[in-house]
Amino acid sequence: QSVLTQPPSASGTPGQRVTISCSGSSSNIGSNTVNWYQQLPGTAPKLLIYSNNQRPSGVPDRFSGSKSGTSASLAISGLQSEDEADYYCAAWDDSLNGHWVFGGGTKLTVL
Amino acid sequence: QLQLQESGPGLVKPSETLSLTCTVSGGSISSSSYYWGWIRQPPGKGLEWIGSIYYSGSTYYNPSLKSRVTISVDTSKNQFSLKLSSVTAADTAVYYCASSITIFGVVIWPHNWFDPWGQGTLVTVSS
Repeated sequence: QSVLTQPPSASGTPGQRVTISCSGSSSNIGSNTVNWYQQLPGTAPKLLIYSNNQRPSGVPDRFSGSKSGTSASLAISGLQSEDEADYYCAAWDDSLNGHWVFGGGTKLTVL
Repeated sequence: QLQLQESGPGLVKPSETLSLTCTVSGGSISSSSYYWGWIRQPPGKGLEWIGSIYYSGSTYYNPSLKSRVTISVDTSKNQFSLKLSSVTAADTAVYYCASSITIFGVVIWPHNWFDPWGQGTLVTVSS
């Protein structure tokens, strides 16, 4: 059972906008910034969004992140077939002297 | 830019110690700008942070694994390593190494991230 809660799956058609939610608590998302990672099939995770809503160089602006209270969201607009991947949220948790926690991952299918 | 590459045995027997190494290229492991970490992913499951280390040897460990984990750094080889003792089948996973940043040598974990990641190496625990 992951500390951060994500829906196991999401889907959309090309061109659509999809959102993926990530729910936590006051000791993680409620206090600290959220990151999102994209894991294409058979590859290592890649940083997609950091500090709630910042995109690393090279990440298309179709990807955006937001945070409110103890929840965060990843939005993908203009969905493309190459966006089909697993998406993970992550945050630092202040409990137990501090440690990183991840969501269970959301598998995005482009129909 | 930084590149990380994991290496080590792909098969470990139950109760033994898993040992992996991450080789850093494109930068110095002795840089004051980075922490170096390990993250794992059991087959078909999510990600779990194992721990992170600074070139000075300062470490942070996941409380759930702390009693079995040792992370060390070898600045002469530009490598850092993971040792996980008393392994069971539950430790079967793809193990990734990744870096995090510091600000003037100070790590601020609540406002940090992992980037880049190595390609990962599968370790199977089985007799």
